[in-house]
Amino acid sequence: KAGVTQTPRYLIKTRGQQVTLSCSPISGHRSVSWYQQTPGQGLQFLFEYFSETQRNKGNFPGRFSGRQFSNSRSEMNVSTLELGDSALYLCASSTPGQGKDEQFFGPGTRLTVL
Amino acid sequence: GESVGLHLPTLSVQEGDNSIINCAYSNSASDYFIWYKQESGKGPQFIIDIRSNMDKRQGQRVTVLLNKTVKHLSLQIAATQPGDSAVYFCAVAATYNAGNMLTFGGGTRLMVKP
Repeated sequence: KAGVTQTPRYLIKTRGQQVTLSCSPISGHRSVSWYQQTPGQGLQFLFEYFSETQRNKGNFPGRFSGRQFSNSRSEMNVSTLELGDSALYLCASSTPGQGKDEQFFGPGTRLTVL
Repeated sequence: GESVGLHLPTLSVQEGDNSIINCAYSNSASDYFIWYKQESGKGPQFIIDIRSNMDKRQGQRVTVLLNKTVKHLSLQIAATQPGDSAVYFCAVAATYNAGNMLTFGGGTRLMVKP
């Protein structure tokens, strides 16, 4: 079974631009979560989508948004990029369930904002 | 809100020795606990999890201990190998948060000396 895939793997943008990152979950997984990883703040939860609906949202500004498609693929968008948005953006998918489920992480997208 | 802390940022052990990585959490409502391993250039990889109705769970060469009284969990790795060198994260979740939102600790770097 193929793992979680994220595209692109690396991205360089300049301040003020916007960016869209993509995540394809493991086949059959309906929950997709996004995390931001930085050396200073560690791994921080951005949001989670389940059945095309945002189920949870972390404490990030509105410049960070996401969506999920009917095939469970998810995208996240960051508008008006700031230098502090430079990070590794990780996507995780899990099987549908009522409780807490094991999450499988992708390799991440490394975003550099210049 | 939830916060998760780690006692040691770096742990250096001799190959063959046992390793113990600790993690403290703050929210007594947390009821799902996971340990992840992250190697350079990769996303976090699930190691083992434990739910709040247990205080110990064993996997292959790994054991997670949960002490809900003091809100502490630990990961024990038996016969540590060079391939165990990585950053280890604990993560916690609570059922009052629907879905799969995880709060991660800051990470401990495990270095295995040959």
